[in-house]
Amino acid sequence: QVQLVESGGGVVQPGGSLRLSCAASGFTFSSYDMHWVRKAPGEGPFWLALISYDDNNKYYRDSMKGRFTISRDNSLNMLYLQMNSLSPEDTAVYYCARGRYHSFSADRYSGVDVWGQGATVTVSS
Amino acid sequence: IVMTQSPLSLPVTPGEPASISCRSPESLLYVNGNDYLDWYLQKPGQSPQLLIYLGSNRASGVPDRFSGSGSGTDFTLNISRVEAEDVGVYYCMQALLTPYTFGQGTKLEIK
Repeated sequence: QVQLVESGGGVVQPGGSLRLSCAASGFTFSSYDMHWVRKAPGEGPFWLALISYDDNNKYYRDSMKGRFTISRDNSLNMLYLQMNSLSPEDTAVYYCARGRYHSFSADRYSGVDVWGQGATVTVSS
Repeated sequence: IVMTQSPLSLPVTPGEPASISCRSPESLLYVNGNDYLDWYLQKPGQSPQLLIYLGSNRASGVPDRFSGSGSGTDFTLNISRVEAEDVGVYYCMQALLTPYTFGQGTKLEIK
């Protein structure tokens, strides 16, 4: 079945780095844009970054530029989020999620329709 | 784009209808005729799940008691008859421009 599974979360000290991974299965990963979204306790979801299906375009929330890097490996069906210079404000559950579909004939937006179970990141000394 | 939802809290008796409003300060209508506004539900302890995309299209597997309407800057999520399993926090999200942005959330609870 269609599935996204995050890994790599954990506890990290302020100023530290962490790399999240997201394994995709059950669909043609290379045909979809992918997102990272986080949710901190007591807050709403917070969109972080988008990478196009072909890895040609990346978009970030301004406040994350320079600290977070989204990447993908279509040969491995993997999505990544490299996070540097972490602060306690980055403590959250991080979700990878599936976006727009692309084909030779057209592309199709059907919402952010598949979400992983989330990876918990805690930034604390 | 700052999305504004109302109400923020919504107590509902099972079987009764419910309605959530979402407003955008600028139009979410794209040149292709689609409104880039989605609705998501996050149930307790779960990941967000897509309910409605492009303003009014029900996602796969979503019960038909959920419907979305509106265009431009004003949108509404309607639940025709609330069931106990509908509890959680509902979010609208604009997908017209990056950064995608969510509303503050509407917490639906059962009376």
